Amino acid sequence: TQLLEQSPQFLSIQEGENLTVYCNSSSVFSSLQWYRQEPGEGPVLLVTVVTGGEVKKLKRLTFQFGDARKDSSLHITAAQPGDTGLYLCAGGGTYKYIFGTGTRLKVLA
Amino acid sequence: NAGVTQTPKFQVLKTGQSMTLQCAQDMNHEYMSWYRQDPGMGLRLIHYSVGAGITDQGEVPNGYNVSRSTTEDFPLRLLSAAPSQTSVYFCASSRWTGMNTEAFFGQGTRLTVV
Repeated sequence: TQLLEQSPQFLSIQEGENLTVYCNSSSVFSSLQWYRQEPGEGPVLLVTVVTGGEVKKLKRLTFQFGDARKDSSLHITAAQPGDTGLYLCAGGGTYKYIFGTGTRLKVLA
Repeated sequence: NAGVTQTPKFQVLKTGQSMTLQCAQDMNHEYMSWYRQDPGMGLRLIHYSVGAGITDQGEVPNGYNVSRSTTEDFPLRLLSAAPSQTSVYFCASSRWTGMNTEAFFGQGTRLTVV
């Protein structure tokens, strides 16, 4: 069974701080996705990484896929209150994705 | 743009009752799926469909049925509700980008079974 472990589970930081959240597995994935979910809403796709070692940037968010395609990280620079939410990673292929347990981030103004 | 529409948003059921959670998408996507989200467990796949008339089981299918008679609709049926089915249910519609799939989620249905 493929599992995705995310760490930390909870993170509360001040506005302007930097942070990194991690997504780890013992399995190899053909692609890995990151989603953000706000209260009362469904997850929204942020990025998909498909190549080992790939780095993608989305404004202040930097996503990296591990060389062995077993892990990924999300780095946020100068966090803002609008970044608050549940961050989920999901690994998989065609149409079936395994989701991680999530990192709940709160950015305080 | 409606995207993925789920109804109802909230539902309370008594143990043993049955009900259908509705999901409709207007993006002409082939792939649709149902997940449940429980605290500390992320999203777990219940059932999925790769096209009209084709469905398959996911990770936690017991107690649920699905059908896909049209591309647009993918209802989830609870046959005899149990308290263990108290959860938030999400329907997703996915499109193939050529390299991977991009999923669009509905707003969810919060179900409580008492």
